[in-house]
Amino acid sequence: GIQVEQSPPDLILQEGANSTLRCNFSDSVNNLQWFHQNPWGQLINLFYIPSGTKQNGRLSATTVATERYSLLYISSSQTTDSGVYFCAVGGASNSGGSNYKLTFGKGTLLTVNP
Amino acid sequence: KAGVTQTPRYLIKTRGQQVTLSCSPISGHRSVSWYQQTPGQGLQFLFEYFSETQRNKGNFPGRFSGRQFSNSRSEMNVSTLELGDSALYLCASSLWDRLEAFFGQGTRLTVV
Repeated sequence: GIQVEQSPPDLILQEGANSTLRCNFSDSVNNLQWFHQNPWGQLINLFYIPSGTKQNGRLSATTVATERYSLLYISSSQTTDSGVYFCAVGGASNSGGSNYKLTFGKGTLLTVNP
Repeated sequence: KAGVTQTPRYLIKTRGQQVTLSCSPISGHRSVSWYQQTPGQGLQFLFEYFSETQRNKGNFPGRFSGRQFSNSRSEMNVSTLELGDSALYLCASSLWDRLEAFFGQGTRLTVV
């Protein structure tokens, strides 16, 4: 199956700093999503970005599908940005049936200090 | 538009018991999938349902089962609970497969 690697595993920032989180995947994908897991465990959708670039406020993401990686940029970090960020990918289906599922990376634990 | 709703939010069970978790997808969404999250294994895919049919199953023992009803609501069942089944169980729904998935708040199961 598809392998997903996220880096760095841990990141500590001062409030106001910028950061880049990376997601590498091992095969062609037709779905790539970035999530932020809140303290109660819910996965909050940040971006659905199988290819291209998107921006939402202080966050932006870029996926280069041909090179099998995606980047999540966080600018002007705030303490509320703290938490675990997950990248999840859905592989291209085999012919004749659906093998859809999301494969998650291990996440990046972001800590933003005041 | 209401999000994905999972019930119950928290559950404590004893080894050997069975448990049923429920998931109501976003209105109009037909694909429902389940994931288990543990500190050791991370987020792992359990199964995916579409129009009441299980289309994909992860690498979990047969004690883990599920179903989807005609209104797209889904349940998962774990029989003969083991301590290692303690986890956060997350349900996701999407309009169609391979499209953006939205997750519920999860059910935190503790097996004692």
